[in-house]
Amino acid sequence: AQTVTQSQPEMSVQEAETVTLSCTYDTSESDYYLFWYKQPPSRQMILVIRQEAYKQQNATENRFSVNFQKAAKSFSLKISDSQLGDAAMYFCASDAGGTSYGKLTFGQGTILTVHP
Amino acid sequence: GAGVSQSPSNKVTEKGKDVELRCDPISGHTALYWYRQRLGQGLEFLIYFQGNSAPDKSGLPSDRFSAERTGESVSTLTIQRTQQEDSAVYLCASSSPEDAFGIMGTDTQYFGPGTRLTVL
Repeated sequence: AQTVTQSQPEMSVQEAETVTLSCTYDTSESDYYLFWYKQPPSRQMILVIRQEAYKQQNATENRFSVNFQKAAKSFSLKISDSQLGDAAMYFCASDAGGTSYGKLTFGQGTILTVHP
Repeated sequence: GAGVSQSPSNKVTEKGKDVELRCDPISGHTALYWYRQRLGQGLEFLIYFQGNSAPDKSGLPSDRFSAERTGESVSTLTIQRTQQEDSAVYLCASSSPEDAFGIMGTDTQYFGPGTRLTVL
């Protein structure tokens, strides 16, 4: 079974600063996908960034980037130049493929607060 | 609209009653997923539909839960004889190997706004 662990229930950052959210996962599959989703109070899950495990290059999407360490099974999210609109719950998720294809496994989430 | 829609937005029901939750996926998306999110928790996978294949029901917590999907369109999640422990937000997502948003080979899941179910 897949597991995804987010060890930081809450994080805070000053506007314009950088923050890193941690995520570790466990899977026996060799090819899989990893995601970070953002969930504001509106409940809408919004895809922030995704990473294919076979790609060594870390994914980047504007102010959002990941540090993907495959051997360590670590997938952290870095938010640069934090903005007030970044405040939300952030979820790390994995799609392990194989027989688990399509079933996202989510971590418990990290609440991010952005201070002006 | 362009996104996944769900109805109702909120549902309050009494213990023991049946409820139906609806999901309209993004047009053209062949895969549809249901998840449950208890308060302050991550999402739990419930069921997965892919085209005309038999659904993957491995995440359904009990036989009180069932879901249907007609072709590649609307899906309904039915909870019979609701219990207080069923109170949660139920989220639907859809995806396609050929993404209408221009991302190929993605299988990225796009989520609806969810239905908040409260069982009294």
